[in-house]
Amino acid sequence: DAKTTQPNSMESNEEEPVHLPCNHSTISGTDYIHWYRQLPSQGPEYVIHGLTSNVNNRMASLAIAEDRKSSTLILHRATLRDAAVYYCILQSYNTDKLIFGTGTRLQVFP
Amino acid sequence: DAGVIQSPRHEVTEMGQEVTLRCKPISGHNSLFWYRQTMMRGLELLIYFNNNVPIDDSGMPEDRFSAKMPNASFSTLKIQPSEPRDSAVYFCASSSNQGNNEQFFGPGTRLTVL
Repeated sequence: DAKTTQPNSMESNEEEPVHLPCNHSTISGTDYIHWYRQLPSQGPEYVIHGLTSNVNNRMASLAIAEDRKSSTLILHRATLRDAAVYYCILQSYNTDKLIFGTGTRLQVFP
Repeated sequence: DAGVIQSPRHEVTEMGQEVTLRCKPISGHNSLFWYRQTMMRGLELLIYFNNNVPIDDSGMPEDRFSAKMPNASFSTLKIQPSEPRDSAVYFCASSSNQGNNEQFFGPGTRLTVL
């Protein structure tokens, strides 16, 4: 399984944008990039995913590098509720498996 | 929709006892996943089913663990006999192959084996 590398932790102030980086230099051409997050004492929840093009949804934006070896999850205005562990995961097109790494713990300060 | 339902939410048992964790996936979803989360090992995929058939059980730690999915609306994860190192939060998730394969997670079962 292709691996991802994320910083262990990041901090942000409320209402500021947050850019969460992820490196995946061994990504294959058919791997999708998924982001999930896990709020305290809850199960993970889906945030966004993409293949090659940048993606936007109501929760976040996903910026994918042209060579696909890295990506960035963008929270446009962080809220206290966005404090969570954010996981960047590569998923091959031919499997349903998600292999979670250690993720980035995001702290948001008022 | 009630989402993925897991029971019990908390389980405390003694070493050597049998433990059964239950999961009801979201109606219409055809894939079901069992995960285990600990501080030391993070979130690990144990097994997943597609259309009630086990597809990949390579994450099941050992023979003490078994999982079944007798129908599309119910799955169990059984540990027999349980050991203290099995203490963890066990999550069940489900997904549909109609769309983006987003996995929806349940609230988890916190298992403590004394």
